Amino acid sequence: GIQVEQSPPDLILQEGANSTLRCNFSDSVNNLQWFHQNPWGQLINLFYIPSGTKQNGRLSATTVATERYSLLYISSSQTTDSGVYFCAVRDGSEKLVFGKGTKLTVNP
Amino acid sequence: DAGITQSPRHKVTETGTPVTLRCHQTENHRYMYWYRQDPGHGLRLIHYSYGVKDTDKGEVSDGYSVSRSKTEDFLLTLESATSSQTSVYFCAISDRVSYGYTFGSGTRLTVV
Repeated sequence: GIQVEQSPPDLILQEGANSTLRCNFSDSVNNLQWFHQNPWGQLINLFYIPSGTKQNGRLSATTVATERYSLLYISSSQTTDSGVYFCAVRDGSEKLVFGKGTKLTVNP
Repeated sequence: DAGITQSPRHKVTETGTPVTLRCHQTENHRYMYWYRQDPGHGLRLIHYSYGVKDTDKGEVSDGYSVSRSKTEDFLLTLESATSSQTSVYFCAISDRVSYGYTFGSGTRLTVV
C-alpha cells in the first residue's frame, strides 16, 4: 500500500520562528490533507491540497504531486501551534493513510 | 466539532466483554469512518461506511464490527474486548464536495 513519511519527527521552536514540515508519499494520490492534533487530542483539518498551494492565515501548504511531496509552512509560530501535524493521503480507495506525524513544540 | 459527537469519551472495560462505541453526526454526510490511534502507528482505519447499511473493512478490522442503520449514527462494536484493543478511537465524517474530513473528539478505551 501507499507509504507516507513525514519529517522531521520532532521540532522545537521559539515563538515567532518559521518552520517547514514535509510529507513524502510513495504513489500517486487523489487526496492529500494536513491535520493538526492539539495537545488535548482534537484533530483539526487544516488543508485539503492534492496539488498546488493554499494559504490560511499564518499557515500555507504546497503539494507537488508529480514529485510526490507536500510542505506545510508555519510562519510566526505561536504556542497554540503546538501539537502533532499529520499528513494523510488517499490513493483512490477509501482508506486515508496517515503519516506518523511531526510533533511541534513552540516555546514562549 | 459540533457536527460530530462520540460517546462515551472514556471507558474502562474487562477483557472478554462486548463494547459498543457510538458516533453521531448532524451534517448528513454520506461517509463515516472509524480509526484507532496508537503510539508508533498513527491513525489506522478500522471500518468505514458509504451509506446506510453499506460498510466495508479498513486495514485493522479484525475483532471489530460496525453497523449503520441511520445516516447519522455509526456504531463500532468490539465483540470480545482484548488488551490489544486498548486505544483511542476516532470517528470521522466526510462529504464529497469539499473532501474534507471532520473528526470527533475521540474515545479513550482501556481494556484491563
